[in-house]
Amino acid sequence: EIVLTQSPGTLSLSPGERATLSCRASQSVSSTYLGWFQQRPGQAPRLLIYGTSNRATGIPDRFSGSGSGTDFTLTISRLEPEDFAVYYCQQYGNSRLTFGGGTKVEIK
Amino acid sequence: EVQLVESGGGLVPPGRSLRLSCTTSGFNFADHGISWFRQAPEKGLQWVGLIKSKPYGVPPEYAASVKGRFIISRDDSKSVAFLQMNSLKTEDTALYYCSRDGYYDVSGYPTFWADIWGQGTMVIVSS
Repeated sequence: EIVLTQSPGTLSLSPGERATLSCRASQSVSSTYLGWFQQRPGQAPRLLIYGTSNRATGIPDRFSGSGSGTDFTLTISRLEPEDFAVYYCQQYGNSRLTFGGGTKVEIK
Repeated sequence: EVQLVESGGGLVPPGRSLRLSCTTSGFNFADHGISWFRQAPEKGLQWVGLIKSKPYGVPPEYAASVKGRFIISRDDSKSVAFLQMNSLKTEDTALYYCSRDGYYDVSGYPTFWADIWGQGTMVIVSS
């Protein structure tokens, strides 16, 4: 099973700052099947990015994804108040789907 | 409006069974796969399994932690998916979500992503 490790565990930033979240896989992941989800407190997760770099419907362009192989990144260019949440990377391969442990982006 | 509503959660002793339902509306259910996820209190997301739409003709897929105990099924005539949970363990305690698997083309490859989620139903396994 592919293990996804997200870092940092918590990111303390101010609104307007840039956030860079990392997702590292224990073995190479198809970029086609790497995505990111956002979960705000008390809410269900929301699809942000699919296929490494494609924004889901309605996701603002301050969110961007990149990476390949074992290293993937979610970048939020300028944090808005509603962006303070937990972010999970996810991959699917060999009929198994796994999530990273999450990165919490909190207000500094 | 696309909606998914989970139901059937509750408190159940270890070893017993529970069946969750995922009632959907606002989209053509028969065209979509349905995934189940769970989240233990104050923990991260965990995939439980998925069932693809019938034309794929493949059996459901399951996480290793639930394979052989949980069964996912669907009733296209009622736009409902089910998660039958047997031999429940305390570690199955979690908020259970269902989601619609939306089709997305990625560089010419068909991919499916959990693009609409329900709000979840809580399952507590405890004596």
